[in-house]
Amino acid sequence: DVKVTQSSRYLVKRTGEKVFLECVQDMDHENMFWYRQDPGLGLRLIYFSYDVKMKEKGDIPEGYSVSREKKERFSLILESASTNQTSMYLCASRKAGTGVYEQYFGPGTRLTVT
Amino acid sequence: GQQLNQSPQSMFIQEGEDVSMNCTSSSIFNTWLWYKQDPGEGPVLLIALYKAGELTSNGRLTAQFGITRKDSFLNISASIPSDVGIYFCAGRRYGGSQGNLIFGKGTKLSVKP
Repeated sequence: DVKVTQSSRYLVKRTGEKVFLECVQDMDHENMFWYRQDPGLGLRLIYFSYDVKMKEKGDIPEGYSVSREKKERFSLILESASTNQTSMYLCASRKAGTGVYEQYFGPGTRLTVT
Repeated sequence: GQQLNQSPQSMFIQEGEDVSMNCTSSSIFNTWLWYKQDPGEGPVLLIALYKAGELTSNGRLTAQFGITRKDSFLNISASIPSDVGIYFCAGRRYGGSQGNLIFGKGTKLSVKP
């Protein structure tokens, strides 16, 4: 079974803090994704990575950056947290080059910025 | 970004009833996926569809890839309380970015015992 883990289930940060959200997958997947989920808005793609050291902006990258130094780990960084970044953050991974597009999600990190 | 039209937004049903929900798109898709999300958890993949007309079951769940390639349906038979959650459809457009999916906003299912 694919396992995607996220470093924290719940996180409370103050406005202006730098925040790191970590995601690790154990299935040697090339593609990794960061989404945020808000009521009424569904899942929105923040950033994705095709492979190590590769990254692409998604639909809402403003205020975020990412890092992919190792294949199994994809980090989301909030450079200066703001209250409008309070949300549920979901990481996902996918095996590339297979013609299969199934993404496997982690349990999520609920971030509150006060 | 583009999103799928998923309906209904919510359902409140009696235990034992059957459930139907669907997703539609203005674009042709080559993949449809259905996920379930329990409160406070990440989405879990239920069914994956890759061919137009394909009908696939997973226990009491059955999903279909619409013939027009612009829609998909999920049915749950004889619902039970643990079916409660949010069901999401997701799809990949022909010519879409590598690996990227488009998501519906979800159908929230509540089951009364």
